[in-house]
Amino acid sequence: EPEVTQTPSHQVTQMGQEVILRCVPISNHLYFYWYRQILGQKVEFLVSFYNNEISEKSEIFDDQFSVERPDGSNFTLKIRSTKLEDSAMYFCASNPDRSDEKLFFGSGTQLSVL
Amino acid sequence: ELKVEQNPLFLSMQEGKNYTIYCNYSTTSDRLYWYRQDPGKSLESLFVLLSNGAVKQEGRLMASLDTKARLSTLHITAAVHDLSATYFCAVDANNAGNMLTFGGGTRLMVKP
Repeated sequence: EPEVTQTPSHQVTQMGQEVILRCVPISNHLYFYWYRQILGQKVEFLVSFYNNEISEKSEIFDDQFSVERPDGSNFTLKIRSTKLEDSAMYFCASNPDRSDEKLFFGSGTQLSVL
Repeated sequence: ELKVEQNPLFLSMQEGKNYTIYCNYSTTSDRLYWYRQDPGKSLESLFVLLSNGAVKQEGRLMASLDTKARLSTLHITAAVHDLSATYFCAVDANNAGNMLTFGGGTRLMVKP
């Protein structure tokens, strides 16, 4: 079964550094998302992306965050200057049609900001 | 602001028993999703409920949606150890399928 892949699985960085989290959505999917889950807490929506632009974003997704689809397969989340509170599991997700399809989640990138 | 609340937050049950997890939400929505998460793993889609009165069943799990009451239930029948996981409900905040608000999760432990 096709799956969403994320790299790296773990990322450790120093506060203030930039990180890029990478995702390869399922190939025929058109809608892409980032969610995050702070340890022991609920999953939170960050951003959705369609047709090379952001379609929705949450309050969490401030100017420190950006997303990009640099080529036909990758979808990236960049955090410009990481803070301690950015430490979380970041999940990429995709779906072919946002109207009624389930989201397919990747296995996540655990980001630790020291 | 959409609020999604699940209860119970933690559930310990014996194999063979039945139980129901509840998911209440605070604003109108016709779309509700249930996900399963094993420790350290990603989210696995269980059910997508798209209309009032929708009921879906897969194995020992059955989910239903009452949009008038803003309530979804996940019923577990004759629980087995393999069902031990955290279960999340999620509501589509704008009915467009792209911005889910998750509940806090119900951690289920099924004891042999």
